[in-house]
Amino acid sequence: DTAVSQTPKYLVTQMGNDKSIKCEQNLGHDTMYWYKQDSKKFLKIMFSYNNKELIINETVPNRFSPKSPDKAHLNLHINSLELGDSAVYFCASSHIWRGGIHGYTFGSGTRLTVV
Amino acid sequence: AQSVTQLDSQVPVFEEAPVELRCNYSSSVSVYLFWYVQYPNQGLQLLLKYLSGSTLVESINGFEAEFNKSQTSFHLRKPSVHISDTAEYFCAVSDRVQGAQKLVFGQGTRLTINP
Repeated sequence: DTAVSQTPKYLVTQMGNDKSIKCEQNLGHDTMYWYKQDSKKFLKIMFSYNNKELIINETVPNRFSPKSPDKAHLNLHINSLELGDSAVYFCASSHIWRGGIHGYTFGSGTRLTVV
Repeated sequence: AQSVTQLDSQVPVFEEAPVELRCNYSSSVSVYLFWYVQYPNQGLQLLLKYLSGSTLVESINGFEAEFNKSQTSFHLRKPSVHISDTAEYFCAVSDRVQGAQKLVFGQGTRLTINP
């Protein structure tokens, strides 16, 4: 069984469109994240939710809106897509234990291509 | 805020040769450190982690890393590499920002194994 699953795996869309990426984890973790990996493989955090509450928002354009209906799901909606949004988006989850993170479990990624 | 520097963007080695991938982090009172591996077109997988205790940590596939507090380093080593080790390797450190935990990643090191 997949621990962190993302859909879709590939997404090709035109500039100006609105799209969503879904993420679900079955690990019982209380914290979920969205990371963006650019063409140079650099990973940068975008958002983090803890028990449905937004706790990290890293200066991401407000065209990006995360939504967490429950602690097992974290979706990412993107409005008015731009060419620069093309990247691989990774969902991850973790459990906070004794005040610290002991590692993430990542999804397999969603490769977004804006044309 | 924590930061991580991976000193080599690419490391080419021959099969069965030893390899070291270097990682330095910004100083802190206490840190959790991680190495993740990303195989082509896949998500990130946890390779090993240092939380506390023994400064030498090992993975199941022959990699090891040593936490060196005085040099603020967490270099990854393998005494004999295989073609299947070809991948992107990321060093990461835990960070606490505004009461929230996250992982901060280095720029990645591409390990290429030549026959």
